[in-house]
Amino acid sequence: KNEVEQSPQNLTAQEGEFITINCSYSVGISALHWLQQHPGGGIVSLFMLSSGKKKHGRLIATINIQEKHSSLHITASHPRDSAVYICAVSFSGNTPLVFGKGTRLSVIA
Amino acid sequence: DAGITQSPRHKVTETGTPVTLRCHQTENHRYMYWYRQDPGHGLRLIHYSYGVKDTDKGEVSDGYSVSRSKTEDFLLTLESATSSQTSVYFCAISDQGVNTEAFFGQGTRLTVV
Repeated sequence: KNEVEQSPQNLTAQEGEFITINCSYSVGISALHWLQQHPGGGIVSLFMLSSGKKKHGRLIATINIQEKHSSLHITASHPRDSAVYICAVSFSGNTPLVFGKGTRLSVIA
Repeated sequence: DAGITQSPRHKVTETGTPVTLRCHQTENHRYMYWYRQDPGHGLRLIHYSYGVKDTDKGEVSDGYSVSRSKTEDFLLTLESATSSQTSVYFCAISDQGVNTEAFFGQGTRLTVV
């Protein structure tokens, strides 16, 4: 079964810390997405990538195709970054996304 | 923000009653998806559509049906609601499928009593 594993499940950080959230998957993929879900429930797309690295503001997403692994980094974390971060992958072609269970991040001032 | 609206946002219904959730988009995106989100699980795909009248089943499709008669609307129907269908339901859209950005609705919290 094609699976997506995220770690850690929960993460608490002090404001200003550098944060890394990991996503690993079982077989080759065509696309990987990082999503953010705030306490109010809304889900927002952060990145979509199939190779290399993308950066948006304080967020950086990387992917290593050979190791079947992606990381989401947050630099200079802030309490407003507190949310659930979700990794999702498409395992081939245009097959629907398979989602990880999410990483719950709390950033404390 | 992408124009995607779910209705209703909250609903309480009784076991055995039919329920229809609506997803409406103003982006003219080809792909539309229905997911459910439950504690301890990631988002799970119920059904999706890749065009008007073109739909396919997802991982947890039992007990659900869908229809897409117009590009902008994707309806999810629970023919006879059960307590196991208590969940938060999300609709999502994308232009070219999984290799393009996905946009999510605000979710519908459904409680079956």
